Amino acid sequence: DIQMTQSPSSLSASVGDRVTITCRASQSISNYLNWYQQKPGRAPKLLIFAASSLQSGVPSRFSGSGSGTDFTLTISSLQPEDFATYYCQQSYSNLYTFGQGTKLEIK
Amino acid sequence: EEQLVESGGGLVQPGGSLRLSCAASGFTLSSYGMNWVRQAPGKGLEWVSYISSSGPTKYYADSVEGRFTMSRDNVKNSVYLQVNSLRDEDTAVYYCARDLKSSGWLDLWGRGTLVTVSS
Repeated sequence: DIQMTQSPSSLSASVGDRVTITCRASQSISNYLNWYQQKPGRAPKLLIFAASSLQSGVPSRFSGSGSGTDFTLTISSLQPEDFATYYCQQSYSNLYTFGQGTKLEIK
Repeated sequence: EEQLVESGGGLVQPGGSLRLSCAASGFTLSSYGMNWVRQAPGKGLEWVSYISSSGPTKYYADSVEGRFTMSRDNVKNSVYLQVNSLRDEDTAVYYCARDLKSSGWLDLWGRGTLVTVSS
């Protein structure tokens, strides 16, 4: 199976900060990388698909980049509603896998 | 409004079985592949299974292969997950999720149903 590793596991930041979360795949997955946001007690929400495409309705402060094995999710200016846990997910293999998550907390 | 609603969770003893259901509304279920994803208490997301739009193609995570079976009834606008031989580590909230273009872009999720495996 393809293993997905996110860093950091947790992150403290302030409103207005620029934040970057990294996701690394155990093998090349081209651009088959998606990002999700999950708030406590809620279902995950798709933010970015195919590494860099913004899902409809997602604010433009979210962006994704990368290809092959290394990917990033960037939030350009943190808003209060962005404090949540973020997951990457590969869909290169028929057996999808998620990263372990990055919890973004208020500093 | 497009919506997925899971049901069928509950408390079950180790070795027991359940049938989880996911009812779709507001869109044509038969046009989409579907997935089950689970989340153990306080843990991350784990993909469990996928079924293609018409049903012949299915994939399972290694951790559930041979114990879980996914199915669908497009007439009833529902997908199902039969979970057998349950173990403590299967305790989780189980979400169904729509697979946009069957490319692994999980764009619509239900609120989940909790399965607790305990004696």
